[in-house]
Amino acid sequence: DTAVSQTPKYLVTQMGNDKSIKCEQNLGHDTMYWYKQDSKKFLKIMFSYNNKELIINETVPNRFSPKSPDKAHLNLHINSLELGDSAVYFCASSRDDNYGYTFGSGTRLTVV
Amino acid sequence: KQEVTQIPAALSVPEGENLVLNCSFTDSAIYNLQWFRQDPGKGLTSLLLIQSSQREQTSGRLNASLDKSSGRSTLYIAASQPGDSATYLCAVTRRTGRRALTFGSGTRLQVQP
Repeated sequence: DTAVSQTPKYLVTQMGNDKSIKCEQNLGHDTMYWYKQDSKKFLKIMFSYNNKELIINETVPNRFSPKSPDKAHLNLHINSLELGDSAVYFCASSRDDNYGYTFGSGTRLTVV
Repeated sequence: KQEVTQIPAALSVPEGENLVLNCSFTDSAIYNLQWFRQDPGKGLTSLLLIQSSQREQTSGRLNASLDKSSGRSTLYIAASQPGDSATYLCAVTRRTGRRALTFGSGTRLQVQP
């Protein structure tokens, strides 16, 4: 199946831990994104990579670090997790703006 | 700074009704506008994409219109069904600079059988 896939789907962890979320797309898209959906269901851009190059880096704590080993993968590493990091994180990809965006199914992160 | 507003925030209708969801944006310099559907606990499904040069797009019972000059888009759902129950999100892409989506807060739709 052609898709954007994220792992894990659920992640429960303690404060202070370091965790990673992985994202892969097999759509041949050039640009990948991380979005955060908070408790009020509002979606906001965090990062964007185009062909492994960081092109968007919103005001996100530097505990969040994206890594793109190749244009099909964009992983999100989070250091020293805090309670406020609890949210659903969505990965997305696009070929170009004429074709819109494809989203993954999300990773629900709960920090306890 | 682009802001996207969706009205109403929630809507409950009986099955079979035609309904309209509204989206407005403050900066008309958009590249395109996209409507998504999000089911509880699930990801986003793209419904319709309208380029800035287009006025509307149709897919099945869905029709989305775009009036860029007034900063508005509407999503029309014909003959609503219980399976249409979901949150509908509107998002725009800027014409220049960083091409990321700016989302509205969504309209939560409940279609009663």
